[in-house]
Amino acid sequence: GAVVSQHPSWVICKSGTSVKIECRSLDFQATTMFWYRQFPKQSLMLMATSNEGSKATYEQGVEKDKFLINHASLTLSTLTVTSAHPEDSSFYICSAPSNEKLFFGSGTQLSVL
Amino acid sequence: GENVEQHPSTLSVQEGDSAVIKCTYSDSASNYFPWYKQELGKRPQLIIDIRSNVGEKKDQRIAVTLNKTAKHFSLHITETQPEDSAVYFCAALSGGSYIPTFGRGTSLIVHP
Repeated sequence: GAVVSQHPSWVICKSGTSVKIECRSLDFQATTMFWYRQFPKQSLMLMATSNEGSKATYEQGVEKDKFLINHASLTLSTLTVTSAHPEDSSFYICSAPSNEKLFFGSGTQLSVL
Repeated sequence: GENVEQHPSTLSVQEGDSAVIKCTYSDSASNYFPWYKQELGKRPQLIIDIRSNVGEKKDQRIAVTLNKTAKHFSLHITETQPEDSAVYFCAALSGGSYIPTFGRGTSLIVHP
């Protein structure tokens, strides 16, 4: 299957700092990528849809200025958590479609102190 | 929008037993139903999927059944092994969409 690479795998940061998470499609092009947030023992919650060459589409309740998404190329999407606070601590995971199937990145565990 | 219900939330079985996880969906336009396995701290992995033009699909110890009329689909794992222990998510998507609606997940525990 297709490979989606996500970095970093985990990050610990101080409150108030910004954290950037990268998601790359390694062997295919992705005009669309999806960003999810997952709390412990819960399902995946879609945050936003990243579109190459245009603005991201955010789900209801997700702050655009808090979670900045950039889809710079057909293989790279980034999620920046700005001015992170402890409540932003979570598992963030991206995904991209290929051949009518959805493939996930390895996830980023964010801990904000 | 689509709503996917998944049961049970936790399933504990003995090694060698079968495990069944059930999902229902609400949108009759949904036509693609993938199942994902997620181990702790790792990415969800697609383990099997089924489209609405098929009633059953099998891959070794894993099978999925779909009842379009009743709008429910199930994951069946036979001869369970400890390495099957994980959280399993069902999902439903409708024509051409790549945005799945996920179930809440089932934590499967296989005791050796």
